[in-house]
Amino acid sequence: SQQGEEDPQALSIQEGENATMNCSYKTSINNLQWYRQNSGRGLVHLILIRSNEREKHSGRLRVTLDTSKKSSSLLITASRAADTASYFCASTQYNFNKFYFGSGTKLNVKP
Amino acid sequence: KAGVTQTPRYLIKTRGQQVTLSCSPISGHRSVSWYQQTPGQGLQFLFEYFSETQRNKGNFPGRFSGRQFSNSRSEMNVSTLELGDSALYLCASSTTRQGQYEQYFGPGTRLTVT
Repeated sequence: SQQGEEDPQALSIQEGENATMNCSYKTSINNLQWYRQNSGRGLVHLILIRSNEREKHSGRLRVTLDTSKKSSSLLITASRAADTASYFCASTQYNFNKFYFGSGTKLNVKP
Repeated sequence: KAGVTQTPRYLIKTRGQQVTLSCSPISGHRSVSWYQQTPGQGLQFLFEYFSETQRNKGNFPGRFSGRQFSNSRSEMNVSTLELGDSALYLCASSTTRQGQYEQYFGPGTRLTVT
């Protein structure tokens, strides 16, 4: 069953603006991973942050992790229309072979 | 390296029938997981196979079953299909890198039950 919640559920911004999505989880984690899903397609792995990391960057993506609050955020800077997709966080526990997905944020970037 | 492949990509079945979906993981990955994605329930974990053995199972009825072959390819079977089984079925192959477990997803099989 899902153990994460994401907010907002939907986000609509203009091209060039930044988009921030948040994810909360319920139990101690080994790592947290973010995925993108274009409509009706598979999930694309974006970035992994370990439980002992606080921030990680990859291109226009910046992920933060606050284990004391059991939350993570994904920031997409200078968004593009091609970033329009649903974004999911997935946490893994120390019994690491189970993934727990959040409910996802649907991002719409208007050109 | 080739990614995760799933076949077929689209499938239409009638209520009461059964269906088999196939997944080929990334070369070298020994773990394969299956998920069901619906608008109402989101992404739900079905089961995970590792070295031909089911290692984890989600909360789905026994109509949902799977298996894994010696080459790590996996199949998922749904018997006595119900309308509510209409969903996108995603397969993910997994590896452990530097102590971290990562999953890579296939494009999915869109199953429609009429």
